[in-house]
Amino acid sequence: DADVTQTPRNRITKTGKRIMLECSQTKGHDRMYWYRQDPGLGLRLIYYSFDVKDINKGEISDGYSVSRQAQAKFSLSLESAIPNQTALYFCATSDSGQGKNEQFFGPGTRLTVL
Amino acid sequence: GNSVTQMEGPVTLSEEAFLTINCTYTATGYPSLFWYVQYPGEGLQLLLKATKADDKGSNKGFEATYRKETTSFHLEKGSVQVSDSAVYFCALSDTGRRALTFGSGTRLQVQP
Repeated sequence: DADVTQTPRNRITKTGKRIMLECSQTKGHDRMYWYRQDPGLGLRLIYYSFDVKDINKGEISDGYSVSRQAQAKFSLSLESAIPNQTALYFCATSDSGQGKNEQFFGPGTRLTVL
Repeated sequence: GNSVTQMEGPVTLSEEAFLTINCTYTATGYPSLFWYVQYPGEGLQLLLKATKADDKGSNKGFEATYRKETTSFHLEKGSVQVSDSAVYFCALSDTGRRALTFGSGTRLQVQP
């Protein structure tokens, strides 16, 4: 069973549409992250959250917003999608405990903006 | 800021060949270092990690040693298999956010 799930797995949308990507986790972790992956660029951090009331911008937050509805849920929204937001999006979680600094990734959402 | 540089791919090897994927980093403080692997159509899986200088991470025959003096964390495997074909990412985690900074990834193709 998957510990970190993402929905949808694939999505095609049009320029200007609002879209939400959802992430849920059953690992009991307090920290959650959103990354995007582009060919040749690795993964880049969009937003991260240390708990429900603590949300922070990453390196490429422009054009995105997030919502931490509960400890287990972290959603990423594109308010008005544009073609250069076409990418593979990953959610990840980690535990804030001492020495527990590895992250666990969901399967990804492939988003295409036409 | 933090950055990770890893060798460009693709790397194409024959089965049972020796693998090295180079990774160097720039960071303040004492980051933790990771190798993640991404198989086709899947998310990233942690392959191995090291949290302090001279630590060696190992898993599934892969090894990497945290070298602070050369700011490197090269991935090695003595004998690759076709099933090792994947994209490998080197990453570091800062002590504050614990967000990951990734290298650009190296695609490994192992031929039978």
